[in-house]
Amino acid sequence: SQQGEEDPQALSIQEGENATMNCSYKTSINNLQWYRQNSGRGLVHLILIRSNEREKHSGRLRVTLDTSKKSSSLLITASRAADTASYFCVSERYQKVTFGTGTKLQVIP
Amino acid sequence: EADIYQTPRYLVIGTGKKITLECSQTMGHDKMYWYQQDPGMELHLIHYSYGVNSTEKGDLSSESTVSRIRTEHFPLTLESARPSHTSQYLCASSDEEGQGENTIYFGEGSWLTVV
Repeated sequence: SQQGEEDPQALSIQEGENATMNCSYKTSINNLQWYRQNSGRGLVHLILIRSNEREKHSGRLRVTLDTSKKSSSLLITASRAADTASYFCVSERYQKVTFGTGTKLQVIP
Repeated sequence: EADIYQTPRYLVIGTGKKITLECSQTMGHDKMYWYQQDPGMELHLIHYSYGVNSTEKGDLSSESTVSRIRTEHFPLTLESARPSHTSQYLCASSDEEGQGENTIYFGEGSWLTVV
C-alpha cells in the first residue's frame, strides 16, 4: 500500500499564482524526490532533497523537508499553464522507493 | 535526458493472450523497477530488481512476472491477460550517485488495454 500522502489531492489556480503541495511519509528516509507527470506520459524528475537538507531551490521550484514532522512541501512560484500536471513525492530509504498519492495541479491561463 | 525505453507504448489485446512489455536502459543502472498506474490513481510498485538474476515482488500483488538476464533489460510478462490488467505500466531505473542519492529515471510508459 502507498505510504506517502499528499495534499491537496487537487489544486486549481490562476496563471501567475504560487502553488504549494505537501507530502507526508511514515518512515525515516535517505532522500525525497519530487516528480511531475503530464497526462498520459511518463514521470519527469524535478528535484531531490537529502534527509540532512532543509530547503532546496531549482528555478521556480522550492522544496522544503521537515524530517521531524516527516513532511515535505513543493512550491511552484509564478505558475504557468504548462505546469498543469500531477506532482508526486517519492521517498527513498535503503534502496526502496515509495510514492505519494499525487497532487493534480491545474493552472488556468 | 534519460535513456530508458519501453515498448510497446500502446497495446490492445484480447483476453487470454500472453504479452511481454519490454524495458531497456543504456545507463548501466543496476536497479530497475516496474510500476502500475491506473488512470488518475497513484503509482504502485509491482516488481523490482537490484541486478542481474535478482527480482523481487513489490508492494502491490501482481500476476505478472519479470526477468533480469541482462543489466540493461527488464521485461514484464503476463501469461494470460485479463481486462483487470488494463492499466499503464511504467518502467524505471536508478543507481547510486554518491552520498546515498538515487535519482529514478522513468520510461514513457506502456498503456495496456485488455478487451
